[in-house]
Amino acid sequence: NAGVTQTPKFRILKIGQSMTLQCAQDMNHNYMYWYRQDPGMGLKLIYYSVGAGITDKGEVPNGYNVSRSTTEDFPLRLELAAPSQTSVYFCASTGGQAGNYGYTFGSGTRLTVV
Amino acid sequence: GDSVTQMEGPVTLSEEAFLTINCTYTATGYPSLFWYVQYPGEGLQLLLKATKADDKGSNKGFEATYRKETTSFHLEKGSVQVSDSAVYFCALSKTGANNLFFGTGTRLTVIP
Repeated sequence: NAGVTQTPKFRILKIGQSMTLQCAQDMNHNYMYWYRQDPGMGLKLIYYSVGAGITDKGEVPNGYNVSRSTTEDFPLRLELAAPSQTSVYFCASTGGQAGNYGYTFGSGTRLTVV
Repeated sequence: GDSVTQMEGPVTLSEEAFLTINCTYTATGYPSLFWYVQYPGEGLQLLLKATKADDKGSNKGFEATYRKETTSFHLEKGSVQVSDSAVYFCALSKTGANNLFFGTGTRLTVIP
């Protein structure tokens, strides 16, 4: 049981480039999330999904897009990367409401925009 | 809005010392409360949780009690080990909500 798998682990982008951060889970969880973690700032919710075909914005969605075509996958797309998007990105999932079950996290993607 | 305030770090303790990391929250109603731990280079892992007032969550020697009267969920451990060195995050989720709100994290370093 792999849990939540994120790729890549590290990436350096130039300003204006685009990329997709991949996230896959094998636990048949309906709920999936993308957070970014900035130093000293905790985790901020970017987007989340409550099931295939359903996505919604979190606290800091600007500059990002998501899709959820299957239960397993929840990719995060960065268009026109900016230095402000330098961060560590975490994907998470849960089988039910977050208040009851908490999350299972991936190991993160460290992104630097130069 | 809903929020979590954690004790500022970093915290440095000697092995076998007593640990307290303070966490207070602001939320309407009765949120669920969590502590997550992040070891170097890894994602966050659920350490313990409590879903109603006066509940005590415990795991791996860590404990936290849900205190509604003081809106707190302080993390404690009686005797820390070097292997407990990590960043600890307090988090809350409102009943029926789909996501967690996280504190800023507290870095703990335990020295031999």
